[in-house]
Amino acid sequence: KAGVTQTPRYLIKTRGQQVTLSCSPISGHRSVSWYQQTPGQGLQFLFEYFSETQRNKGNFPGRFSGRQFSNSRSEMNVSTLELGDSALYLCASSLNRGYEQYFGPGTRLTVT
Amino acid sequence: GIQVEQSPPDLILQEGANSTLRCNFSDSVNNLQWFHQNPWGQLINLFYIPSGTKQNGRLSATTVATERYSLLYISSSQTTDSGVYFCAVGLGGTASKLTFGTGTRLQVTL
Repeated sequence: KAGVTQTPRYLIKTRGQQVTLSCSPISGHRSVSWYQQTPGQGLQFLFEYFSETQRNKGNFPGRFSGRQFSNSRSEMNVSTLELGDSALYLCASSLNRGYEQYFGPGTRLTVT
Repeated sequence: GIQVEQSPPDLILQEGANSTLRCNFSDSVNNLQWFHQNPWGQLINLFYIPSGTKQNGRLSATTVATERYSLLYISSSQTTDSGVYFCAVGLGGTASKLTFGTGTRLQVTL
């Protein structure tokens, strides 16, 4: 079975721009979660999607949003990028809510 | 929110040595996972262990849920074991929302 895939793997954007990251879960997995990893704050939960609905949200501003499609693929969007948004963004999928999570390779976003 | 503490923060071992990594958490959990993050940032699943003991080759883990801690044992360490080890927990209706510890950075030398 293929693992979790994320695109793009690397991205460079300018302050004020917006960005969309994509995540394809393991086949059959219905829950997708997103995390941000920075050297200062570590790994932090962004949000969880299940059945195309956001089920949990972390403590991030409204500039961070996401969605899930009927095939369980998910996207996250960050608008009006700030320098502090530079991070590794990780997507994880699980068979169902609360089950073991499997992570993708991440998207490394640099904001200049 | 739930607090997750990992110790030690850093560990340097010679190849062949054994080690124990600890994870303490502040509340009852429904979800506990151990991960190894490689130098490229990939989080690799080691164990899903909200309670009990599991073994996988040279690695084993034990979670004592009633005392709110989990241990990861690495035996006969190899240089490929180097990296950062994370413990992550989830609780109740938000078990999908993993809270990560700050990790243990392990370096295995020849």
